[in-house]
Parts: sequence; C-alpha cells; structure tokens
Amino acid sequence: KAGVTQTPRYLIKTRGQQVTLSCSPISGHRSVSWYQQTPGQGLQFLFEYFSETQRNKGNFPGRFSGRQFSNSRSEMNVSTLELGDSALYLCASSLARVNSPLHFGNGTRLTVT
Amino acid sequence: KQEVTQIPAALSVPEGENLVLNCSFTDSAIYNLQWFRQDPGKGLTSLLLIQSSQREQTSGRLNASLDKSSGRSTLYIAASQPGDSATYLCAVSPRGNEKLTFGTGTRLTIIP
Repeated sequence: KAGVTQTPRYLIKTRGQQVTLSCSPISGHRSVSWYQQTPGQGLQFLFEYFSETQRNKGNFPGRFSGRQFSNSRSEMNVSTLELGDSALYLCASSLARVNSPLHFGNGTRLTVT
Repeated sequence: KQEVTQIPAALSVPEGENLVLNCSFTDSAIYNLQWFRQDPGKGLTSLLLIQSSQREQTSGRLNASLDKSSGRSTLYIAASQPGDSATYLCAVSPRGNEKLTFGTGTRLTIIP
C-alpha cells in the first residue's frame, strides 16, 4: 500500500508570491491534516479535512487555506508569502476512526527568499 | 491552551542501554496520546497510540505509559540500537486525531 505522497518535495519562492502544495493520502483514508514544522515553533496544526469539509483549523492567518477533493486528495495554498512561511509542511492521513493513528508524508520543504 | 513539553531536548546513550523519554502536558482533557519518531528530512512515523482510558501500550522494544491525571507519559526503549537514533515526539489530541498538539521533541543519539 502506498504511503502518503506530498509534492513537490522542495520549493523555493520569493516574498509576495503564492504557492500550492499537494497531498495524496493513503488509499481509503478520508481524513487529511496539515502541519507546519519550523525550528522555532515546532509542529503546529494548520487544518484538517474530512469528506471535502474543513473540520478543524489552527491559529494561522487567512493567507493559509486548503481544500480536499472527492478522491480525498488535498491541497494547501499560501498566498502573499512571507519569509516566516519558510518551513517543512507535513500532510497526514488517517481512517478518521477513533484512535486510528496518523500517517505522515515526507513533507514539502518551502523556502521563501 | 494545551502545552506539551519534552525533556531532555537531546539525549545520547551507548548502544544496548535501556532508556526513557518523557512527555508532559498541561491539560488532562485528552482523548489520546501518540508517540512518533522523525528521521532527518523525513516525515513522522507513528510508534504507539495510547487511548486516554489506557495506562500503557507496547510494540516490540517500545513501551509507552500514560498517567492522564498527572499529565505525563513516558516512552521506554529497551536494548537501544543505532537505528533508534531519531527525534521522538509526543502529541496529544482533544478528540481522536483532530488538532494534535505536539511536544518539542527529544533528539536521541545511540552511540555504537
């Protein structure tokens, strides 16, 4: 069974641009979550989608948005990039059953210059 | 607001030793606690999940315990191996897998 796939693996953008990251969950997983990882703040929850609906949202500005498609694939978008958005963005999927573990992808490393 | 702390931030031990990693959280109203490992440049791998009603979980050489009332969890690694070198993170959830709050991690190095 293929794991969680995130594309691209690396991305370099300049301030003010926007970026879209993609995540394909494990087959059969309907819940997809996004996390931002930085050396200073650690891992922080961005948002979680289930059946194309955003169920939870973390404390990030409106420049961060996401969506989920009918095949459970998800994208997140960051507009008007800032230097502080440089981070590893991790996607995780799960069966969305109570106490089913999260499965993470290897992340997209975003660098904003 | 839930806060999760992991001490120490880094730990080096000789191969073969048993070791314990610590995790503490401020709000005991959790649904479950998970332990993950992260290798450099990679995502997280789920190691163990303990439901709030459980006291411990075991998988191979790993044993995780949970004391919800005191806000503490430990991850015990028996007979450590160089392949165990990684950063270990704990995370708590208020409900299922939703909105996990992660600790800052413990970077573990096993010395051959």
